[in-house]
Amino acid sequence: DAGITQSPRHKVTETGTPVTLRCHQTENHRYMYWYRQDPGHGLRLIHYSYGVKDTDKGEVSDGYSVSRSKTEDFLLTLESATSSQTSVYFCAISFGTGTDTQYFGPGTRLTVL
Amino acid sequence: GQQVMQIPQYQHVQEGEDFTTYCNSSTTLSNIQWYKQRPGGHPVFLIQLVKSGEVKKQKRLTFQFGEAKKNSSLHITATQTTDVGTYFCAGGGSQGNLIFGKGTKLSVKP
Repeated sequence: DAGITQSPRHKVTETGTPVTLRCHQTENHRYMYWYRQDPGHGLRLIHYSYGVKDTDKGEVSDGYSVSRSKTEDFLLTLESATSSQTSVYFCAISFGTGTDTQYFGPGTRLTVL
Repeated sequence: GQQVMQIPQYQHVQEGEDFTTYCNSSTTLSNIQWYKQRPGGHPVFLIQLVKSGEVKKQKRLTFQFGEAKKNSSLHITATQTTDVGTYFCAGGGSQGNLIFGKGTKLSVKP
């Protein structure tokens, strides 16, 4: 498996609180992605990054922001968590282009009460 | 935006039976990739197809990319309990991005 870690792996929080999830890679890959996975919806892209400080929105970006200040780290922030953001969040990386193979992290299970 | 449709959503088979999942796009794809996600796990890359009409095999798994590069299939011969999981296709879109299908969840009854 590619060197990707996600933290925390599990989190329970309350509605209205801010939450930050971290993705860390040791592969020096250019692209990094955040997905959420919910039953019946497959993997939905939230945001992605194609370089340091270069990010763009995916199909379900509302309520989420991201930052990438270093190649190895990609942060996903829920400014004010809602119950609809309860999900499993996966980070992924790819080497050179947006259509390259993606390598996924182990996931973070987030529950918003 | 571009979409990749994947069917069926669920498939239940008896161990030893064959299994096929299909992906379709209304537009030409630059490539197609297949991933497997075991229960409780994360998606893991299986294979990539790039050429029109390409066929690749991995043991009991056969992957095909259509002549028009708009569809693909994954066929598993004689399923085993170790094949359980969700299989995703992902197509290279015109925006230079990878578009994931919603996946087919395979369960295998021993």
